[in-house]
Amino acid sequence: GAVVSQHPSRVICKSGTSVKIECRSLDFQATTMFWYRQFPKQSLMLMATSNEGSKATYEQGVEKDKFLINHASLTLSTLTVTSAHPEDSSFYICSAERAGGQETQYFGPGTRLLVL
Amino acid sequence: GESVGLHLPTLSVQEGDNSIINCAYSNSASDYFIWYKQESGKGPQFIIDIRSNMDKRQGQRVTVLLNKTVKHLSLQIAATQPGDSAVYFCAENRSLQDSWGKLQFGAGTQVVVTP
Repeated sequence: GAVVSQHPSRVICKSGTSVKIECRSLDFQATTMFWYRQFPKQSLMLMATSNEGSKATYEQGVEKDKFLINHASLTLSTLTVTSAHPEDSSFYICSAERAGGQETQYFGPGTRLLVL
Repeated sequence: GESVGLHLPTLSVQEGDNSIINCAYSNSASDYFIWYKQESGKGPQFIIDIRSNMDKRQGQRVTVLLNKTVKHLSLQIAATQPGDSAVYFCAENRSLQDSWGKLQFGAGTQVVVTP
């Protein structure tokens, strides 16, 4: 159990376009999901915390209008990178916390975004 | 201009030997710690966790040690195998009202298993 999927796994887009990344908990309900960004050879940096039915909480320095997060159900959160630019190219990873308060986060496989 | 890349600390281990990966954490209020394994191009995979009321926990081929006095965490892998080659991250969960559930990740250690 505790499988988290992401779609797409890899996306290439032109500068100025928007890209949507989906994060799904496949076999459990997740009231909270987290979005991370990871650059090569670096650690995971938390971007935002997504709570079902409420607005996301963004970390300092992360533009909420640039990275739109929607957590419409207990199994789905989406991250939309709006007007993407080459510097947004990165590995985006989501995680989900099982409803019920357990602290272990289960991570998705990641989405590689390349903006040309 | 010149780009400067970051280099992960690397631990080179011979197949069959034991590995020890270390992590220092900063917040004495952290009460839950997790080790993750990340293979190239994949998301982090949960290995083992430990709460601050424990100092040792064992799993299958892995042991996590917690020393709260010096804020140090370690992961021991017994009989390291080629499939253990990956980047290993420690993460701490800070038990603060405004940050509950947020994980703070360490810098990571690249483990390379040689035959």
